[in-house]
Amino acid sequence: AQTVTQSQPEMSVQEAETVTLSCTYDTSENNYYLFWYKQPPSRQMILVIRQEAYKQQNATENRFSVNFQKAAKSFSLKISDSQLGDTAMYFCAFMKHLAGNQFYFGTGTSLTVIP
Amino acid sequence: DAMVIQNPRYQVTQFGKPVTLSCSQTLNHNVMYWYQQKSSQAPKLLFHYYDKDFNNEADTPDNFQSRRPNTSFCFLDIRSPGLGDAAMYLCATSRAGAGQPQHFGDGTRLSIL
Repeated sequence: AQTVTQSQPEMSVQEAETVTLSCTYDTSENNYYLFWYKQPPSRQMILVIRQEAYKQQNATENRFSVNFQKAAKSFSLKISDSQLGDTAMYFCAFMKHLAGNQFYFGTGTSLTVIP
Repeated sequence: DAMVIQNPRYQVTQFGKPVTLSCSQTLNHNVMYWYQQKSSQAPKLLFHYYDKDFNNEADTPDNFQSRRPNTSFCFLDIRSPGLGDAAMYLCATSRAGAGQPQHFGDGTRLSIL
């Protein structure tokens, strides 16, 4: 079975600073996909960034980037120039390749950006 | 804008009284999912439809059922809600195929009296 671990239940960061959220996973698969989703308070969950395991290059989306370490089964999210709107719960998710589209979610990290 | 729409946003029902939550999508995605999310926890997949094929998670209680009458709509039926079923229910959709991200609705928060 796949497990996804987010070891930081809560984090805070000063506005305009950089923060890194950690995620580790356990799988015997070689091909898979990893995602970070953001869920602001009382709002819908939205995709932040996606990584394909067979690509060595780390994915980036504007202020969001990942550090994907396949051998270590680590997938951390870096948020640069943090903004108040980044305050949210962040979920790391794992998806197998060619075995349906089911996500295995981590337990989430609640990030607060402090003005 | 193409989207996933859940109605209602808030639903209150009585203990044991059947309730139906609805989800519609304008994305024309093949796959639709229902998740249960309790406070400060990760979403838990209940079941999903791949087109008309229904896929139930092994640990989803029999109390939870689903219908997908067409591509656009999917319903979650809770036959006899218990206090433990109070939660946020999330609907999501995705294209078929490897690595496709899921698109979520706003959720329906269900309260049980």
